Amino acid sequence: DAKTTQPPSMDCAEGRAANLPCNHSTISGNEYVYWYRQIHSQGPQYIIHGLKNNETNEMASLIITEDRKSSTLILPHATLRDTAVYYCIVISYMNSGGYQKVTFGTGTKLQVIP
Amino acid sequence: NAGVTQTPKFQVLKTGQSMTLQCAQDMNHNSMYWYRQDPGMGLRLIYYSASEGTTDKGEVPNGYNVSRLNKREFSLRLESAAPSQTSVYFCASSERGQGVANYGYTFGSGTRLTVV
Repeated sequence: DAKTTQPPSMDCAEGRAANLPCNHSTISGNEYVYWYRQIHSQGPQYIIHGLKNNETNEMASLIITEDRKSSTLILPHATLRDTAVYYCIVISYMNSGGYQKVTFGTGTKLQVIP
Repeated sequence: NAGVTQTPKFQVLKTGQSMTLQCAQDMNHNSMYWYRQDPGMGLRLIYYSASEGTTDKGEVPNGYNVSRLNKREFSLRLESAAPSQTSVYFCASSERGQGVANYGYTFGSGTRLTVV
């Protein structure tokens, strides 16, 4: 499984875009990039995922570099409720129907400041 | 849509006591997982079950046992609780996936366990 590297913490002003980077330089061709967030001590919550194209949903945008070695999660207009720990992980999908076993790191603690 | 349900939400045990943490999912997922999270740390995998009838050790399996009772349920047992097992425990499930129409893991809300 490819490992990821994220900054331990970031601040963002309320209403501004929050850009959270992730390095996954050892990612392989069948691995997707997933982002989750954990608010307080709740269970992690799915945000977005992608393979090689940029993705957008109602929560965020995901920008993946052309070489796929890094990505950025963008929260376009951060609110105080976006204060959380954000995890970037990679997940492999095996054509034979294999399972996923992924290691979560310590993520990035995003503090949205009023 | 319940997703992943964990019980109990809170538990206090005395050293040496045993208990079972329950987890059930209603999404027909094949794979299920148990993680622990200690203060200031990420999630560490204890055990996982790739499919019904199989279980495997993760990063930190010592002191724990698991049972995949059926496709829906995956329990975690502490036979003789120790203070080092004080943690928040999360259960998760996933679908063996192909393609992009897959949301990876779905997590439960956690069990906060204190061993005194």
